[in-house]
Amino acid sequence: AQTVTQSQPEMSVQEAETVTLSCTYDTSESDYYLFWYKQPPSRQMILVIRQEAYKQQNATENRFSVNFQKAAKSFSLKISDSQLGDAAMYFCAYRVQGGSEKLVFGKGTKLTVNP
Amino acid sequence: GAVVSQHPSWVICKSGTSVKIECRSLDFQATTMFWYRQFPKQSLMLMATSNEGSKATYEQGVEKDKFLINHASLTLSTLTVTSAHPEDSSFYICSAQSTGARQFFGPGTRLTVL
Repeated sequence: AQTVTQSQPEMSVQEAETVTLSCTYDTSESDYYLFWYKQPPSRQMILVIRQEAYKQQNATENRFSVNFQKAAKSFSLKISDSQLGDAAMYFCAYRVQGGSEKLVFGKGTKLTVNP
Repeated sequence: GAVVSQHPSWVICKSGTSVKIECRSLDFQATTMFWYRQFPKQSLMLMATSNEGSKATYEQGVEKDKFLINHASLTLSTLTVTSAHPEDSSFYICSAQSTGARQFFGPGTRLTVL
């Protein structure tokens, strides 16, 4: 069974600084997707970034970028120039390509941004 | 972007009653919708996968007779919590899958059972 592990229950960062959230996963599949979702206090899930496993190039979305290490099954999220609005729960998620296409979530990391 | 709505956003009910939660994809058709449950300060737990026109597929440990799911159209799926009890109090989130297999999440429904 696929599992997603986020080893950092909580992280904090100073405004304008950079922070990296860790995620590892376990799968025997070769084709899959990885995601980072943000859940602010409103609890609306927001897609931050997505990575296809077949792509070697790391995905980037403005201030958000990932370090995808397929062999190590690692998928970390880097947030640059952190803003107060980045404060939220961040969930790493995995989905196999094809099949049921359901998402498997990690337990989440609570990010605090200090002014 | 694709929008998914849930109704109601918050419901309080008495123990023993049934509650229906609606999940709608507003500007796209969703052949597949997913229902999640989230306890305070925890992650999302998938309850079931709902496909339009067919029976839902429930995750292990989820009671099918207690959490009834109906996906009657390409834009609407409903979750009915039957004979609700205080332990069913939780945050329920749906997501709808568009073409290209992208999932879009609803804003969630907070259920409180007294």
